[in-house]
This record gives sequence, C-alpha cells and structure tokens, in this order.
Amino acid sequence: GQNIDQPTEMTATEGAIVQINCTYQTSGFNGLFWYQQHAGEAPTFLSYNVLDGLEEKGRFSSFLSRSKGYSYLLLKELQMKDSASYLCAVRGSNYQLIWGAGTKLIIKP
Amino acid sequence: AAGVIQSPRHLIKEKRETATLKCYPIPRHDTVYWYQQGPGQDPQFLISFYEKMQSDKGSIPDRFSAQQFSDYHSELNMSSLELGDSALYFCASSPRTSGGLGADTQYFGPGTRLTVL
Repeated sequence: GQNIDQPTEMTATEGAIVQINCTYQTSGFNGLFWYQQHAGEAPTFLSYNVLDGLEEKGRFSSFLSRSKGYSYLLLKELQMKDSASYLCAVRGSNYQLIWGAGTKLIIKP
Repeated sequence: AAGVIQSPRHLIKEKRETATLKCYPIPRHDTVYWYQQGPGQDPQFLISFYEKMQSDKGSIPDRFSAQQFSDYHSELNMSSLELGDSALYFCASSPRTSGGLGADTQYFGPGTRLTVL
C-alpha cells in the first residue's frame, strides 16, 4: 500500500528551530510537497523537492532523500504565526498527490 | 497575485438536497482538483480535470459529479446530500507545464464550508 507518516503533533518555542519529519512508501515518486494549513483555511504551498538535497526558502528549508523515502521541513526563528498544521504530500506514479495526516505545530512563547 | 476563487464560502443544506460548488482557477492554470477535508483530517482527493477533460478520479461518491468548462472554471455538483458530506471542500489549480522542476504545484482556494443538517 501507499502511506505517508509524520508526527501528529509537535511543540516548540518562539525563536527556536523545529524539524518536522516525513517518511513515505509510495508506488512511484514524482516529487514531494510541503504545505502549511491554518485551522479552517486552505493549504498553502511551502516547498517542492524532487531531487535529493536541501531546498532553502527564507526561514523554511526542506530536505529529501529518495533512497530513504524521507523528507523533513525545517523551520527557523519560529514565530507565533507558524502555529499551524504542516502537511507532507507525495506525488505518486499516477501524478496524484498522496497526503500525510499532517503535523500540528504548537508554538509557545 | 490572483488566487483560486471558490464560491460560495459557506453553504448550509438539508439532507437529500443538492449543492453546487464553483471554482475559478488561477489565470493560465488549466488543471483543477477537488478535495474534501473533514475536521482533523488530511485532504481527500475527489477528482481532477485537465483541459476540460476528467484526468483523475479519487474517492468521489457516485452522488457527486463535476465538470470543467471552456473558461476553465469547474463546478462540483452534489446530490442527495448526507450528514457525512459536511466538510471543507477545496479546489486547487495548477499549470500543467511540461518538464521543469515544480511543475504541477497545486495552489488551493479558500474552500467552501458545507454544512448538511
């Protein structure tokens, strides 16, 4: 079967750094996406990885290892507004997105 | 920058009624996706359209149908509504570019919150 695993919930402190991991097992791989979703709002695109390595975008970075079926999203200099769910999604062989259940990130002052 | 537009934003219906949700993709995006998201759940893919043709089908119930029109907007038609259909319905659009990294990134609309009483 196909599945994507990420932690259900994480807590971090304002100003700190947090790493959200995502492991996947899918039939085929055509890229991995990270989305941010605040409660009741639409998912917002954060990053896309299709090659191994680190993609940096301001305070957010995303890493991919295809051989390990593993990715992480790194958030630096955490702000209270970063409190949200972070969804890992893999585009499989049929180009459909397979979604993880999301990681709820709680930022404390 | 223009974003995906969905209407209505909120909709309240009774059991067995019908509902139509509309989605206007980002200009020059030719692919539209529909998702259903229940509370605390990840988005469940329903159906997608590319160049006005159905391109993929997910967990869309037979009671639902959708289409994409010549101006690329899409409508999701829901009939015989059930209590379990209460959810957020997102539409996403993407440019179907050939090759290149980042192709087909989906950009989501604000969603329609459907409540079935």
